[in-house]
Order: sequence, then C-alpha cells, then structure tokens
Amino acid sequence: NAGVMQNPRHLVRRRGQEARLRCSPMKGHSHVYWYRQLPEEGLKFMVYLQKENIIDESGMPKERFSAEFPKEGPSILRIQQVVRGDSAAYFCASSQGRGPNTEAFFGQGTRLTVV
Amino acid sequence: QQQVKQSPQSLIVQKGGISIINCAYENTAFDYFPWYQQFPGKGPALLIAIRPDVSEKKEGRFTISFNKSAKQFSLHIMDSQPGDSATYFCAASSGATNKLIFGTGTLLAVQP
Repeated sequence: NAGVMQNPRHLVRRRGQEARLRCSPMKGHSHVYWYRQLPEEGLKFMVYLQKENIIDESGMPKERFSAEFPKEGPSILRIQQVVRGDSAAYFCASSQGRGPNTEAFFGQGTRLTVV
Repeated sequence: QQQVKQSPQSLIVQKGGISIINCAYENTAFDYFPWYQQFPGKGPALLIAIRPDVSEKKEGRFTISFNKSAKQFSLHIMDSQPGDSATYFCAASSGATNKLIFGTGTLLAVQP
C-alpha cells in the first residue's frame, strides 16, 4: 500500500519558468491538500481539493498559482512565472474523507529551488 | 485567530529525559489537535492526536495533555532517545475539513 507519492522530489527552475508539482494520493483517498513550507518555518495551508473540485483555496496566492485534481491522474500544483520567493518545500497530503477524525497522510515533498 | 503558537523553538534534552513542547490556540472552533514529527528531507508524519473531549492521550512514550479552558495542549516525550531528534509540529483544525493550521515547530535534540 504505497503512501502519498510526490514528484519530482527536487525541482530547479529559472525565474520566469513554470513549475509543475504532482501528487498521487494514497489508494482509496479522494481528498488532497497542498501545503508550503518555507525554510525554518511551519507548514502553511494552500489548497484543498476533491476529485474535480476545489473545496478551499484560501491559502493560495491570488496570482501565478493554480491547482487541480482531475478525475483521472494525480493532483497538480502549478506555479507560473516562478520567482525566488517561491523557493520552498511543497507537501501534499491526502485523506480518505473529511472531518476531524480523518487522518491526513503527507508525502515526502517537492523541494523547489528558483535560480 | 487562526494562529497556533508553539514553544520552545528549540529544545535540548539528555537521553532518558522528558521532552515537553507546548502549543496555544485562540480559535475555539478547533476540534482536532495532532502532533507531527518531521525528519530532515522528509514529510511530516502523524505521531498522536487528541480531540477536546479528553484531557490526556497516551501512546507509548508520547502523551498529549489538553487544557480546553486555557486553550493549550502539550506533547510529552518520556524516556527521550537520540532517535527522537527531529522537528515537532503541533497543529489544529476545525469544522468539516482537514485544513491544518500548524505551529512554527520545535527542533528537538536528544543528546546521548
């Protein structure tokens, strides 16, 4: 039973390029969450998705960032025209359902470096 | 009101000692309080979690103490081991989602 799979593990982009981060949830999980972790800081919620729906995107920057979770395939976090300040670790978590009794499992993260 | 405040920022404990990490929150709608352990280069892993209807939960060497009136909760690691050296995050969530609000983390070093 594979855990939450994120790829790539490391991603280097030049300023102005696009970054695509992928997340495959655990088998049987239909809820996906993206978090960002800046160096020496805690994780900040970005977006919560269910299959084909964005449930809560209150933590997403208004520009350049978008997320999707299609009916088939992994969830994608897309960052357009990356800037140095986007350098961070991006973690995906998945859960079987919603609500406080439902444990969220995290992936190993994608470490984005913008040069 | 969405913040979760965590202290200390770093902690050094001797092997066999007790590690104590504290968190405080403001939002009384929070109803789920997990603790995560994170090793360098890895994702956070759930250690233990508590709901506000109990004041304490113990799993092995890890105990959460919860004080609803003070809006505080803490993690106690008994008989701390060098392998426990990691960053620990408290978190809280509310309502019908698993949107977690994380504390800023505590870097724990257990000296042999």
